[in-house]
Amino acid sequence: GAGVSQSPRYKVAKRGQDVALRCDPISGHVSLFWYQQALGQGPEFLTYFQNEAQLDKSGLPSDRFFAERPEGSVSTLKIQRTQQEDSAVYLCASSPGVGTRARNSYNEQFFGPGTRLTVL
Amino acid sequence: AQSVTQLGSHVSVSEGALVLLRCNYSSSVPPYLFWYVQYPNQGLQLLLKYTSAATLVKGINGFEAEFKKSETSFHLTKPSAHMSDAAEYFCAVSLSYNTDKLIFGTGTRLQVFP
Repeated sequence: GAGVSQSPRYKVAKRGQDVALRCDPISGHVSLFWYQQALGQGPEFLTYFQNEAQLDKSGLPSDRFFAERPEGSVSTLKIQRTQQEDSAVYLCASSPGVGTRARNSYNEQFFGPGTRLTVL
Repeated sequence: AQSVTQLGSHVSVSEGALVLLRCNYSSSVPPYLFWYVQYPNQGLQLLLKYTSAATLVKGINGFEAEFKKSETSFHLTKPSAHMSDAAEYFCAVSLSYNTDKLIFGTGTRLQVFP
């Protein structure tokens, strides 16, 4: 079966341009996460969707970052007026359910290959 | 505040030697802990997880990790390294009470020499 896919795999943008990064989660997965991975660093949480609802956007670094998942499936991460510090790999992950510590449960996150964004 | 610390950004071992990758965490609540592996140009793959059951956790590809609360550690080990184990390894913790969002360490690159 298909895993999580992301497109484009590579994106080069001039500073000030807007970019849109797409994530196709595994079909039927309820939860969707975006992470940002700077060079030489571990991934950092950006935002979380449960179906179409964006329940946590605490990791978005500025108001230039915007994410949506209007139909509870495909998600788009948009970055407006890109800056050089936005250069990173953007990872998307999906999971089949809603695992929470409150329920003493956890659902594995399946990661896509990422989109490498380079801002010149 | 850093919640996960991986000691050693690079680890080199010979093929057949023991692999030990270190991870320490800080948490005010019982954590869920994970090890992920990342091969070049690929997404992260879950190796193993600790979610408050057995403290010795076995994962894929012969890896295992032991949760030690007294040492706040979750080190990853493999008795005998294989060339195919060369990759980047990330320790992660889930602290949120309402989602599975992960906090990752900075990663350890494992090199395996013949």
